[in-house]
Amino acid sequence: QVLLVQSGADVKKPGASVTVSCKASGYTFSNFGLTWVRQAPGQGLEWMGWISFHKGDTHYSQKFQGRLTVTSDTSTSTAYMELRSLTSDDTAVYYCARVWGLRGFDYWGQGTLVTVSS
Amino acid sequence: DIQMTQSPSTLSASVGDRVTITCRASQTINTWLAWYQQKPGKAPELLIYKASDLESGVPSRFSGSGSGTEFTLTIARLQPDDFATYYCQQYNTYPWTFGQGTKVEIK
Repeated sequence: QVLLVQSGADVKKPGASVTVSCKASGYTFSNFGLTWVRQAPGQGLEWMGWISFHKGDTHYSQKFQGRLTVTSDTSTSTAYMELRSLTSDDTAVYYCARVWGLRGFDYWGQGTLVTVSS
Repeated sequence: DIQMTQSPSTLSASVGDRVTITCRASQTINTWLAWYQQKPGKAPELLIYKASDLESGVPSRFSGSGSGTEFTLTIARLQPDDFATYYCQQYNTYPWTFGQGTKVEIK
């Protein structure tokens, strides 16, 4: 079955960077895209960006432009989300999700809590 | 950015009720809209894509409709497992954006 398994919770200091990984299994990794969505405590969902393996490109929300990078390693079926220059506003649960063409986000990882605190 | 506005923000209902949630886009998104259900402490789950297509494995009591700027998610007969928060999301235009969510509570 399709599984997306994310790396564990992390605590970072303001100004630091964080990398969250998302390991996929149960499907052909390069046939789909992967997106990143975050959710601050008690808040709604916020789309960050995605990587399209079909087209080989990335798209980011302008809000994160310049400090967000999404990459992938097809040899290990793993995607990575790096967010730099962290502030307390970046404290959130970060989710990866599979993107299947124009069908929305059909499978999600379990989420990774990133806490930014001095 | 396209703003997605859901109404109501909170909805109180009883088991067996018919429930409708509305999602309005600030500009046309054709039918590139998805609906998700999220329970506390869990990742969201896809219910509906392309405005009205039911995701595999999702109960048929869930349905979606609409196009352009107005969309609805309907739960035909609310079940205990349906008390959750629901989000709409457009994927017509970057940045993809979510509605603020509608929490369905037990009346």
